[in-house]
Amino acid sequence: QKEVEQNSGPLSVPEGAIASLNCTYSDRGSQSFFWYRQYSGKSPELIMFIYSNGDKEDGRFTAQLNKASQYVSLLIRDSQPSDSATYLCAVNENDMRFGAGTRLTVKP
Amino acid sequence: GAVVSQHPSRVICKSGTSVKIECRSLDFQATTMFWYRQFPKQSLMLMATSNEGSKATYEQGVEKDKFLINHASLTLSTLTVTSAHPEDSSFYICSARVLAGVADTQYFGPGTRLTVL
Repeated sequence: QKEVEQNSGPLSVPEGAIASLNCTYSDRGSQSFFWYRQYSGKSPELIMFIYSNGDKEDGRFTAQLNKASQYVSLLIRDSQPSDSATYLCAVNENDMRFGAGTRLTVKP
Repeated sequence: GAVVSQHPSRVICKSGTSVKIECRSLDFQATTMFWYRQFPKQSLMLMATSNEGSKATYEQGVEKDKFLINHASLTLSTLTVTSAHPEDSSFYICSARVLAGVADTQYFGPGTRLTVL
């Protein structure tokens, strides 16, 4: 079983819709969780981190964490074409482990 | 967020030569840095963990004699690809660990695109 799993996509949503990106992890002892955005040909950029159960909002982005279900998600409201990228979920166990990423396409 | 730089951003070299890539933390001290490689349309692959003042820890399958890592100061780690071959052509990205309370975060450098002819 992979340590951090993401649906590879591609996930396609129309402009203005809500994009929902999901991630599951295997280590119940994980304490902190991260979402990175990676544009094609660029390095990953940190969007948000979360370490408490529940929701954390930052602008159009909301991270949701459910430790009991070992599940973390990222919601992007009012999606824009500029949000089109690969989104990486990362989980901090002893070291940070990355998922393979979900490719999101926002269509105008 | 914390700023991490890499140099060079792009390098083209002949097969058999060695290439050095620098990773610097610009506004903080990084006791731990990481080196990743990413092939086109594939996910990040951790190559090694670089700790200041000690030997790097390499992931399984990564040749330590081919990918030399030096972390001589709290702001600089270098990766040297020795005797590079075309199959080493890839996007090499470093990151630096930042300890911020509960959250132990990594910030990435902009990456170095290596092309070996």
